[in-house]
Amino acid sequence: QVHLVESGGGLVKPGGSLRLSCEASGFTFSDYYMSWVRQAPGRGLEWISYISSTGSDTYYADFVKGRFTISRDNAKKSVSLQMNNLRADDTAVYFCARDAAKRIGMMTVDLFDYWGQGTLVTVSS
Amino acid sequence: DIQMTQSPSSLSASVGDRVTITCRASQSISRHLNWYQQKPGKAPKVLIYAASSLEGGVPSRFSGSGSGTDFTLTISSLQPEDFATYYCQQSYSTPPGFGQGTRLEIK
Repeated sequence: QVHLVESGGGLVKPGGSLRLSCEASGFTFSDYYMSWVRQAPGRGLEWISYISSTGSDTYYADFVKGRFTISRDNAKKSVSLQMNNLRADDTAVYFCARDAAKRIGMMTVDLFDYWGQGTLVTVSS
Repeated sequence: DIQMTQSPSSLSASVGDRVTITCRASQSISRHLNWYQQKPGKAPKVLIYAASSLEGGVPSRFSGSGSGTDFTLTISSLQPEDFATYYCQQSYSTPPGFGQGTRLEIK
């Protein structure tokens, strides 16, 4: 059974840093890309970053580029998000999600098929 | 970046109703479109992938259609547990953007 469990959220002052972690179980972690997605209070879903299965490729949304860093440890089955220079508008629940690729005929489609329960990050003075 | 626009933003309906939510992409995304359901305080759950393929374990009252830029999610007969927020998401290109969500409420 696939499980993703995030940790590391909390209250941090503007300009501060926080490191989120997501521990995976129930699947071959090293076979999958992983993503972080966030949701500000009362708002919609916002994709932040992904990391390839080996960790060699990463991609960031423009609004976190240069401030956030995604990494993974396949031996520990975990993915992390280092968040620096945090701003009030980074306040959100942060989810990690498994990025699966499903083949439909000649087409392969990516989807977020499993999600963690989320961890709340509050940026406030 | 590809922009995803859902309509309506909110919708009131009754148990047993047939409901349709639409999602439009700012450029063609073929069939790289997924639908998620989210209940308050919970993580999203995938319902439909590749525009019309039902994820395992999802009731058959959910269906999806469309290709190119226009897509729909239909719930054929609303059940009490279906009242939630629904999001479309394109996976055609990075960044994989979401629609703004459609909140489905009980009338």
